[in-house]
Amino acid sequence: SQQGEEDPQALSIQEGENATMNCSYKTSINNLQWYRQNSGRGLVHLILIRSNEREKHSGRLRVTLDTSKKSSSLLITASRAADTASYFCATDNKNTDKLIFGTGTRLQVFP
Amino acid sequence: EAGVVQSPRYKIIEKKQPVAFWCNPISGHNTLYWYRQNLGQGPELLIRYENEEAVDDSQLPKDRFSAERLKGVDSTLKIQPAELGDSAVYLCASSLGIPVNYNEQFFGPGTRLTVL
Repeated sequence: SQQGEEDPQALSIQEGENATMNCSYKTSINNLQWYRQNSGRGLVHLILIRSNEREKHSGRLRVTLDTSKKSSSLLITASRAADTASYFCATDNKNTDKLIFGTGTRLQVFP
Repeated sequence: EAGVVQSPRYKIIEKKQPVAFWCNPISGHNTLYWYRQNLGQGPELLIRYENEEAVDDSQLPKDRFSAERLKGVDSTLKIQPAELGDSAVYLCASSLGIPVNYNEQFFGPGTRLTVL
């Protein structure tokens, strides 16, 4: 079963704009990860944020984590057409040590 | 460095036929995972191996699915017999496995199975 949900389900923006995706989850976690999946390719790990961290940056990516609200957000700044993909959050469950994925946000960046 | 290798990339079979998927993880990765990803959904874990041992197969439909990782490296996932609802992408992933709370997984390209 899916751990949580991403919001929005789909997002369309122009190149250069910022894209924000949200993830909500249900149980206590060790960490939360974001993955990207391009059409026809496997998932690629983007960034990991630990449960005791609140914000993390990697290049054009900014991730926040609010454990009190059981939510996370992924911000992609200055988007490019190559950012077009599905983005999944995945939580590493404290009790089961299992990585559980959300339902994904499909991002379309128009040139 | 080679990533996770899976084959075949695509497979089309008729229902009730058997099918097998193969995965070669990243060298040195002790932990291997098989996931199933339905259209429009995130991946769901089927089974996790630590070396040769299946440590979590709670989501594997054992009446028709089986998996093995005999030498703690390559793994195969088998479905026999396949049903229409098995159509999905089957993803293999691997990780170092330690530390246990840092679980970055590396995914292969997947096998897209279509059951007719």
